[in-house]
Amino acid sequence: GESVGLHLPTLSVQEGDNSIINCAYSNSASDYFIWYKQESGKGPQFIIDIRSNMDKRQGQRVTVLLNKTVKHLSLQIAATQPGDSAVYFCAENSGRAFGNEKLTFGTGTRLTIIP
Amino acid sequence: DTGVSQNPRHKITKRGQNVTFRCDPISEHNRLYWYRQTLGQGPEFLTYFQNEAQLEKSRLLSDRFSAERPKGSFSTLEIQRTEQGDSAMYLCASRAGAGELFFGEGSRLTVL
Repeated sequence: GESVGLHLPTLSVQEGDNSIINCAYSNSASDYFIWYKQESGKGPQFIIDIRSNMDKRQGQRVTVLLNKTVKHLSLQIAATQPGDSAVYFCAENSGRAFGNEKLTFGTGTRLTIIP
Repeated sequence: DTGVSQNPRHKITKRGQNVTFRCDPISEHNRLYWYRQTLGQGPEFLTYFQNEAQLEKSRLLSDRFSAERPKGSFSTLEIQRTEQGDSAMYLCASRAGAGELFFGEGSRLTVL
């Protein structure tokens, strides 16, 4: 069935170091992927997205890598800061071009930045 | 603050009661979504509106759940005869066309 999962539920990183959060998906028809950050008591916040015709996309301090061969997605955060502490979700959508509006989210990884 | 407003932020109710949540999307966002999130899990899609039309509904949306967006602006999500399993955070999101999806801060429901 369709599922999006994460390899690790928790990750602790020293402030200033880089972090990598991984995500596996099972739907080979997925063509759009998004990373969200969710702080305690708040709704998910968009970080970066990538379409299936790309394998890498960079933002400010963040990079998303997509490996369609193994159905794997990763989020790299450079020079982590205390404000990066949050739960990170990957989400996928299949067939957005055909009107499919549903996002399927993974379970989430809790990232803790150690001062 | 993303601009998507949800009320109430917290609701505690007894099993069997009805509850209603309201979402005010970002102005002129024609697409509005409801998701449900339980503790430790990612959000799960419930339903989607384009303007006032409800175009997609999840199987999670049982007949006790109803969502409306009568004028294509704000939306309401009503849960009738609440059950303890309905306890969750109900998230609303909106976007304009194919743009970025903005989530509100959610309405947390606790059913006793």
